[in-house]
Amino acid sequence: GDSVTQMEGPVTLSEEAFLTINCTYTATGYPSLFWYVQYPGEGLQLLLKATKADDKGSNKGFEATYRKETTSFHLEKGSVQVSDSAVYFCALSDGNSGGGADGLTFGKGTHLIIQP
Amino acid sequence: DAGITQSPRHKVTETGTPVTLRCHQTENHRYMYWYRQDPGHGLRLIHYSYGVKDTDKGEVSDGYSVSRSKTEDFLLTLESATSSQTSVYFCAISTDVRPQHFGDGTRLSIL
Repeated sequence: GDSVTQMEGPVTLSEEAFLTINCTYTATGYPSLFWYVQYPGEGLQLLLKATKADDKGSNKGFEATYRKETTSFHLEKGSVQVSDSAVYFCALSDGNSGGGADGLTFGKGTHLIIQP
Repeated sequence: DAGITQSPRHKVTETGTPVTLRCHQTENHRYMYWYRQDPGHGLRLIHYSYGVKDTDKGEVSDGYSVSRSKTEDFLLTLESATSSQTSVYFCAISTDVRPQHFGDGTRLSIL
């Protein structure tokens, strides 16, 4: 079945550091890929998505590129802020529309802590 | 979130009692989902719905049932709650082209 693997952390960085959170996946066909962010006490918010190979999703300074050859969707940001402290989830769904009936398969989440 | 309301937000109950969680949406989205979030597991799909009265099982459906009698409401029922069902439960909605959008969660504790 489908699966998503990501570093669990916690990952601790200083403000303005470069961020990479690795995400790799196993899926049949051509899944859509997502990064969600969860701030303390809140639900998950969609951060970015990509629905086909070589697509780059971006939002709020975060980027991730859908790499089919390495089955990866690593999250990056050039300069993190204290307000980026949260838990980040990589996820996939079958199908390439970005939506649809299929449930999401999630990684276990990466807790990111940014220190001033 | 404005488009999805989960109720209750917090509940404490005892083993063996029935529990129903409600998800209400105002977006008229076709698809609705229930997930549970546990440390070390991320989120796991319990059940989902692809229309009124059309539901299907997810990865961790044992011990749970669902119903969707109206487009806007998706109910999750624990017929006889167990301590292993202590978790945070999230509802999500989507369309054919819009990614899943999550509610704020229900924290359920079963003593």
